[in-house]
Parts: sequence; C-alpha cells; structure tokens
Amino acid sequence: QKEVEQDPGPLSVPEGAIVSLNCTYSNSAFQYFMWYRQYSRKGPELLMYTYSSGNKEDGRFTAQVDKSSKYISLFIRDSQPSDSATYLCAFFTYNTDKLIFGTGTRLQVFP
Amino acid sequence: DTAVSQTPKYLVTQMGNDKSIKCEQNLGHDTMYWYKQDSKKFLKIMFSYNNKELIINETVPNRFSPKSPDKAHLNLHINSLELGDSAVYFCASSQEAAQETQYFGPGTRLLVL
Repeated sequence: QKEVEQDPGPLSVPEGAIVSLNCTYSNSAFQYFMWYRQYSRKGPELLMYTYSSGNKEDGRFTAQVDKSSKYISLFIRDSQPSDSATYLCAFFTYNTDKLIFGTGTRLQVFP
Repeated sequence: DTAVSQTPKYLVTQMGNDKSIKCEQNLGHDTMYWYKQDSKKFLKIMFSYNNKELIINETVPNRFSPKSPDKAHLNLHINSLELGDSAVYFCASSQEAAQETQYFGPGTRLLVL
C-alpha cells in the first residue's frame, strides 16, 4: 500500500462550484497535514496546514482531517479560474523529519 | 523580493555532462532542501541541510552532491548526467530543521538529451 494516495484528476469544474480534493494515507505517525498549491511552472506554496482532526477554515478554503479514517480533504468554495492549479497534499512526522507529498490533483476552473 | 531563488530556471544538456544548480534564500532560515519532481508530478525529498550540515540524505545516486557554503545557499552538483535525471528540481527552506512549513523556490527544469 502506498503511503499517500491522491486522485490525479484532472478535475474540471465551472466557476462558482464547490471543489473537494482528497488524500488517504497509511502512516499513523503523520502529525501535520498540509495542502500545497502549485501553479503551472511554479514551485509549490503552502496553502493550509493543521495538526488535529477536524476542520480548519481560511476564506474560501476548508481543510478537513479525519485521523481515524486516515483521510484528509480540501474544500474550495465559490471556485475561481485563479484556483486552477495542481493541489498537493503533504504530510509530516517528526519520526523522519520529512515532508511526504501526494502526487497532486490538477484542478481546472473554467469561467 | 524573491524568498527562495534558483538558477538556472532551465537547463538543457547532453548525457554524461556535469552541471550545477544554485539556490539562495533570503528568509534567514536555517534549513534548506532539495526536492525532485518527476514527470508525473511526484515530489520527493533528496537532501536537507541545517546550518550547512547535511541532515537528510535520501537514497540518491552519489552522482548528486549537495554543497552548502553558508546557511543561505544550497547548491546541487550532478555528475555524469543520465536521461533519467530529467525532472524539475526544487529548492526549499524552513526556519529550523524538522519543520513542516517549507518555502519552495520556482524550480529548475533539467532536460538531459
């Protein structure tokens, strides 16, 4: 079983739609749960991170973590064309001091 | 001001050549990283330096040699380039070692012909 699984997409939605991006993981030692956004030909940028189960909201973005199911999600409300990017889930544990990334989901929001 | 910068942005070279990629961060961070992103967008750590000291060294061919002249710079030298080295190489930095919040550079696109 892979340590992190992420649906590669691509996901194509109309402007204004609610988008749900998901990752599952198998390593119960993961302590931090992150979402990075990567625009085409750019480096990843940290969008949100959390370390506990539950929801964390930041504007139109909500990160959700369910440690019991080993499942994390990123919801984007009122999606905009500027949200078109690849979204990478990432996990961190002090056991290894490494960030482990998912393969990314490519999102396209069309006007 | 660019927080983490890399040069060159693009690198096209022949198999067997030796090349270097440079990274600089002006965030005052202690730790810097090299990541490789393959054609399927899979991003994987290669090396990590904290205050010029190597702290993470993944299973990477020894043709790859990182060098940190000071904590603001981390360079990657690649000897005897192979076709499979073609990828995007990202530099990143974090305030301290073992930190979940990392800041990435724009990437260096390496194509080996």
